Amino acid sequence: AQKVTQAQTEISVVEKEDVTLDCVYETRDTTYYLFWYKQPPSGELVFLIRRNSFDEQNEISGRYSWNFQKSTSSFNFTITASQVVDSAVYFCALSEHDSSASKIIFGSGTRLSIRP
Amino acid sequence: DGGITQSPKYLFRKEGQNVTLSCEQNLNHDAMYWYRQDPGQGLRLIYYSQIVNDFQKGDIAEGYSVSREKKESFPLTVTSAQKNPTAFYLCASSPRTRTSGTDTQYFGPGTRLTVL
Repeated sequence: AQKVTQAQTEISVVEKEDVTLDCVYETRDTTYYLFWYKQPPSGELVFLIRRNSFDEQNEISGRYSWNFQKSTSSFNFTITASQVVDSAVYFCALSEHDSSASKIIFGSGTRLSIRP
Repeated sequence: DGGITQSPKYLFRKEGQNVTLSCEQNLNHDAMYWYRQDPGQGLRLIYYSQIVNDFQKGDIAEGYSVSREKKESFPLTVTSAQKNPTAFYLCASSPRTRTSGTDTQYFGPGTRLTVL
Protein backbone atom coordinates (compact mmCIF):
# COMPACT_ATOMS: atom_id res chain seq x y z
CA ALA A 1 0.00 0.00 0.00
CA GLN A 2 1.08 3.56 -0.65
CA LYS A 3 2.12 5.45 2.43
CA VAL A 4 3.97 8.63 3.38
CA THR A 5 5.52 9.04 6.80
CA GLN A 6 6.65 12.34 8.25
CA ALA A 7 7.89 11.29 11.64
CA GLN A 8 8.69 14.81 12.83
CA THR A 9 5.43 16.30 14.05
CA GLU A 10 6.93 19.64 15.09
CA ILE A 11 10.34 21.25 14.74
CA SER A 12 11.46 24.53 16.26
CA VAL A 13 14.75 26.21 15.41
CA VAL A 14 16.30 29.63 15.75
CA GLU A 15 16.45 31.84 12.70
CA LYS A 16 19.46 31.24 10.42
CA GLU A 17 19.82 27.63 11.47
CA ASP A 18 19.60 24.91 8.84
CA VAL A 19 16.74 22.45 9.22
CA THR A 20 15.88 19.17 7.51
CA LEU A 21 12.37 17.77 7.22
CA ASP A 22 12.23 14.02 6.78
CA CYS A 23 9.92 12.12 4.45
CA VAL A 24 9.83 8.34 4.05
CA TYR A 25 7.49 6.67 1.60
CA GLU A 26 6.25 3.22 0.69
CA THR A 27 5.09 2.22 -2.78
CA ARG A 28 4.91 -0.87 -4.94
CA ASP A 29 5.19 1.17 -8.13
CA THR A 30 8.39 1.44 -10.17
CA THR A 31 7.31 4.80 -11.53
CA TYR A 32 6.01 7.28 -9.03
CA TYR A 33 6.08 10.96 -8.16
CA LEU A 34 6.94 12.78 -4.97
CA PHE A 35 5.89 16.27 -3.94
CA TRP A 36 6.48 18.81 -1.23
CA TYR A 37 3.95 21.48 -0.30
CA LYS A 38 4.09 24.35 2.16
CA GLN A 39 1.04 25.43 4.17
CA PRO A 40 1.56 28.84 5.80
CA PRO A 41 -0.82 30.07 8.52
CA SER A 42 -3.18 31.41 5.84
CA GLY A 43 -4.04 27.80 4.98
CA GLU A 44 -3.41 27.59 1.26
CA LEU A 45 -1.07 24.81 0.13
CA VAL A 46 1.81 26.12 -1.93
CA PHE A 47 3.50 23.73 -4.35
CA LEU A 48 7.28 23.50 -3.87
CA ILE A 49 8.57 20.59 -5.94
CA ARG A 50 7.57 17.55 -8.00
CA ARG A 51 10.07 14.76 -8.59
CA ASN A 52 9.68 11.53 -10.53
CA SER A 53 11.25 8.28 -9.42
CA PHE A 54 13.73 8.15 -12.30
CA ASP A 55 15.35 11.42 -11.38
CA GLU A 56 17.49 10.94 -8.30
CA GLN A 57 19.48 14.11 -8.68
CA ASN A 58 19.31 16.42 -5.74
CA GLU A 59 17.69 19.74 -6.41
CA ILE A 60 18.47 23.17 -5.05
CA SER A 61 16.26 26.23 -5.31
CA GLY A 62 17.64 29.18 -3.38
CA ARG A 63 17.68 28.23 0.30
CA TYR A 64 15.67 25.07 -0.38
CA SER A 65 17.18 21.72 -1.32
CA TRP A 66 15.81 18.23 -1.70
CA ASN A 67 17.60 14.91 -1.24
CA PHE A 68 15.92 11.98 -3.00
CA GLN A 69 17.28 8.53 -2.15
CA LYS A 70 15.45 5.55 -3.62
CA SER A 71 17.62 3.11 -1.66
CA THR A 72 16.14 4.36 1.59
CA SER A 73 12.76 5.49 0.14
CA SER A 74 13.33 9.00 1.40
CA PHE A 75 12.75 12.45 -0.01
CA ASN A 76 14.08 14.90 2.56
CA PHE A 77 13.77 18.67 2.43
CA THR A 78 16.39 21.05 3.80
CA ILE A 79 16.03 24.76 4.42
CA THR A 80 19.35 26.55 4.73
CA ALA A 81 19.67 29.71 6.81
CA SER A 82 16.04 29.53 7.91
CA GLN A 83 13.91 32.65 8.17
CA VAL A 84 10.79 33.45 10.16
CA VAL A 85 8.79 33.42 6.92
CA ASP A 86 9.62 29.72 6.57
CA SER A 87 7.35 28.97 9.52
CA ALA A 88 4.60 26.73 8.16
CA VAL A 89 3.38 23.17 7.97
CA TYR A 90 5.18 21.20 5.29
CA PHE A 91 3.63 18.20 3.59
CA CYS A 92 5.33 15.46 1.64
CA ALA A 93 3.12 13.59 -0.84
CA LEU A 94 3.28 10.55 -3.11
CA SER A 95 1.40 9.67 -6.29
CA GLU A 96 -1.25 7.00 -5.90
CA HIS A 97 -0.95 3.66 -7.67
CA ASP A 98 -3.61 4.56 -10.22
CA SER A 99 -2.03 7.83 -11.22
CA SER A 100 -4.18 8.46 -14.29
CA ALA A 101 -6.28 10.79 -12.16
CA SER A 102 -3.22 12.51 -10.71
CA LYS A 103 -4.28 11.47 -7.24
CA ILE A 104 -1.74 11.91 -4.50
CA ILE A 105 -1.60 10.89 -0.86
CA PHE A 106 -0.25 13.18 1.81
CA GLY A 107 1.83 12.65 4.88
CA SER A 108 0.57 14.08 8.14
CA GLY A 109 2.83 17.11 7.88
CA THR A 110 5.65 18.68 9.90
CA ARG A 111 4.99 21.97 11.67
CA LEU A 112 8.11 24.13 11.42
CA SER A 113 8.54 27.11 13.72
CA ILE A 114 11.39 29.53 13.16
CA ARG A 115 12.14 31.66 16.23
CA PRO A 116 13.67 35.10 15.73
CA ASP B 1 -4.39 36.44 -12.65
CA GLY B 2 -4.88 32.71 -13.06
CA GLY B 3 -5.73 30.75 -9.98
CA ILE B 4 -8.22 28.90 -7.84
CA THR B 5 -10.78 30.71 -5.73
CA GLN B 6 -12.83 29.31 -2.90
CA SER B 7 -15.66 31.03 -1.17
CA PRO B 8 -16.51 31.80 1.47
CA LYS B 9 -13.33 31.79 3.56
CA TYR B 10 -15.29 31.11 6.75
CA LEU B 11 -18.66 29.38 6.93
CA PHE B 12 -20.90 28.65 9.85
CA ARG B 13 -23.73 26.16 9.69
CA LYS B 14 -26.33 24.88 12.05
CA GLU B 15 -26.63 21.17 12.58
CA GLY B 16 -28.97 19.54 10.09
CA GLN B 17 -28.38 22.07 7.33
CA ASN B 18 -26.77 21.40 3.97
CA VAL B 19 -24.13 23.85 2.85
CA THR B 20 -22.33 24.32 -0.48
CA LEU B 21 -18.70 25.35 -0.80
CA SER B 22 -17.63 27.05 -4.00
CA CYS B 23 -14.48 26.29 -6.01
CA GLU B 24 -13.65 28.05 -9.27
CA GLN B 25 -10.49 27.87 -11.38
CA ASN B 26 -9.40 29.82 -14.45
CA LEU B 27 -6.30 27.73 -15.14
CA ASN B 28 -8.05 25.67 -17.83
CA HIS B 29 -7.32 22.55 -15.79
CA ASP B 30 -9.25 19.38 -16.54
CA ALA B 31 -9.07 17.74 -13.13
CA MET B 32 -10.38 19.09 -9.85
CA TYR B 33 -10.32 17.74 -6.29
CA TRP B 34 -11.81 18.32 -2.85
CA TYR B 35 -9.89 17.57 0.34
CA ARG B 36 -10.72 17.74 4.00
CA GLN B 37 -8.12 18.71 6.59
CA ASP B 38 -8.63 18.24 10.33
CA PRO B 39 -6.39 19.93 12.91
CA GLY B 40 -2.91 18.46 13.01
CA GLN B 41 -3.61 16.05 10.21
CA GLY B 42 -2.89 15.63 6.54
CA LEU B 43 -5.32 15.97 3.69
CA ARG B 44 -7.94 13.38 2.87
CA LEU B 45 -9.58 13.15 -0.55
CA ILE B 46 -13.35 13.58 -0.65
CA TYR B 47 -14.19 13.66 -4.38
CA TYR B 48 -12.38 14.27 -7.63
CA SER B 49 -13.30 14.94 -11.21
CA GLN B 50 -11.17 14.36 -14.29
CA ILE B 51 -13.59 15.82 -16.81
CA VAL B 52 -16.84 17.74 -17.02
CA ASN B 53 -19.95 15.77 -16.03
CA ASP B 54 -17.89 13.03 -14.41
CA PHE B 55 -16.62 12.59 -10.87
CA GLN B 56 -15.48 9.83 -8.53
CA LYS B 57 -15.56 9.24 -4.80
CA GLY B 58 -12.40 9.64 -2.84
CA ASP B 59 -11.54 8.10 0.51
CA ILE B 60 -14.15 9.90 2.63
CA ALA B 61 -17.09 10.68 0.32
CA GLU B 62 -19.89 9.76 2.74
CA GLY B 63 -22.01 12.77 3.61
CA TYR B 64 -20.72 14.85 0.71
CA SER B 65 -21.87 15.46 -2.87
CA VAL B 66 -20.40 17.28 -5.86
CA SER B 67 -21.23 18.35 -9.39
CA ARG B 68 -19.09 19.24 -12.38
CA GLU B 69 -21.29 21.00 -14.91
CA LYS B 70 -18.57 23.37 -16.07
CA LYS B 71 -14.85 22.90 -16.44
CA GLU B 72 -14.17 25.90 -14.22
CA SER B 73 -16.39 24.96 -11.30
CA PHE B 74 -16.52 22.07 -8.83
CA PRO B 75 -18.86 22.88 -5.91
CA LEU B 76 -18.96 20.65 -2.83
CA THR B 77 -22.12 20.17 -0.78
CA VAL B 78 -21.74 19.09 2.82
CA THR B 79 -24.98 17.37 3.68
CA SER B 80 -26.64 16.82 7.04
CA ALA B 81 -25.57 13.18 6.74
CA GLN B 82 -21.95 14.16 7.36
CA LYS B 83 -21.44 13.30 11.02
CA ASN B 84 -18.57 15.64 11.82
CA PRO B 85 -18.36 18.34 9.17
CA THR B 86 -16.32 20.92 11.08
CA ALA B 87 -13.02 21.07 9.19
CA PHE B 88 -10.90 23.00 6.72
CA TYR B 89 -11.82 22.23 3.10
CA LEU B 90 -9.35 22.63 0.27
CA CYS B 91 -10.02 22.54 -3.44
CA ALA B 92 -7.31 21.75 -5.99
CA SER B 93 -6.91 21.38 -9.73
CA SER B 94 -4.39 19.79 -12.06
CA PRO B 95 -3.80 20.13 -15.79
CA ARG B 96 -3.70 16.47 -16.82
CA THR B 97 -1.15 17.28 -19.48
CA ARG B 98 0.22 13.78 -19.40
CA THR B 99 -1.46 10.60 -20.53
CA SER B 100 0.37 8.84 -17.75
CA GLY B 101 2.09 10.03 -14.66
CA THR B 102 0.87 12.30 -11.94
CA ASP B 103 0.46 16.00 -12.56
CA THR B 104 0.96 18.59 -9.89
CA GLN B 105 -2.11 19.73 -8.00
CA TYR B 106 -2.55 23.43 -7.27
CA PHE B 107 -4.64 24.55 -4.34
CA GLY B 108 -7.13 27.24 -3.48
CA PRO B 109 -7.09 29.24 -0.22
CA GLY B 110 -9.57 26.94 1.53
CA THR B 111 -12.88 27.30 3.37
CA ARG B 112 -13.11 26.80 7.11
CA LEU B 113 -16.48 25.27 7.99
CA THR B 114 -17.79 25.31 11.54
CA VAL B 115 -20.95 23.56 12.59
CA LEU B 116 -22.66 25.27 15.51
